Amino acid sequence: ETGVTQSPTHLIKTRGQQVTLRCSSQSGHNTVSWYQQALGQGPQFIFQYYREEENGRGNFPPRFSGLQFPNYSSELNVNALELDDSALYLCASRPLAGSTGELFFGEGSRLTVL
Amino acid sequence: DAKTTQPTSMDCAEGRAANLPCNHSTISGNEYVYWYRQIHSQGPQYIIHGLKNNETNEMASLIITEDRKSSTLILPHATLRDTAVYYCIVIIGQAGTALIFGKGTTLSVSS
Repeated sequence: ETGVTQSPTHLIKTRGQQVTLRCSSQSGHNTVSWYQQALGQGPQFIFQYYREEENGRGNFPPRFSGLQFPNYSSELNVNALELDDSALYLCASRPLAGSTGELFFGEGSRLTVL
Repeated sequence: DAKTTQPTSMDCAEGRAANLPCNHSTISGNEYVYWYRQIHSQGPQYIIHGLKNNETNEMASLIITEDRKSSTLILPHATLRDTAVYYCIVIIGQAGTALIFGKGTTLSVSS
């Protein structure tokens, strides 16, 4: 139990639609990052937020965007969904930036794009 | 790309020690070695990390070679619940840097 909760746990969308995934961080964790995990692959870094600002981004197009709120909860938004966006989306939080790097992951949101 | 190389899969008998190797020959002096594992359909779970010295916690031990080009994660008494994918990751631990996951090692523990 990491204290990081994600919603929804499963959802199905069709190509071209938009989706919003939500994450509630563990108390005291002010840095949140999002990862995409395709079937059979390791998680891939999408982006990270610290104090409501994006401060790191992986190789994902602009249609992947995010928000972090003052209470450190976070959203991942994906526009114009494509079939290849089908994956498990993981949220991870950590204590103050500059800590030793241990991340606490949620259980993920499984997105299926038809 | 991941900076580490791990075997694709390993088997271990329940109750025996599981030794999972990882090669990271291009590791820099300020990079840490982290281990995470992912049990099926769950989020990754932090296990342990180290810089130069060997480390031990309640879950596992981490042995890092003197030249730091390889390491071994040791689960001293594997149980069926340790069946998972184990990821060895090299990062600058004290920055807000992303974890670069490879494909990891699938450890299967059997009775």
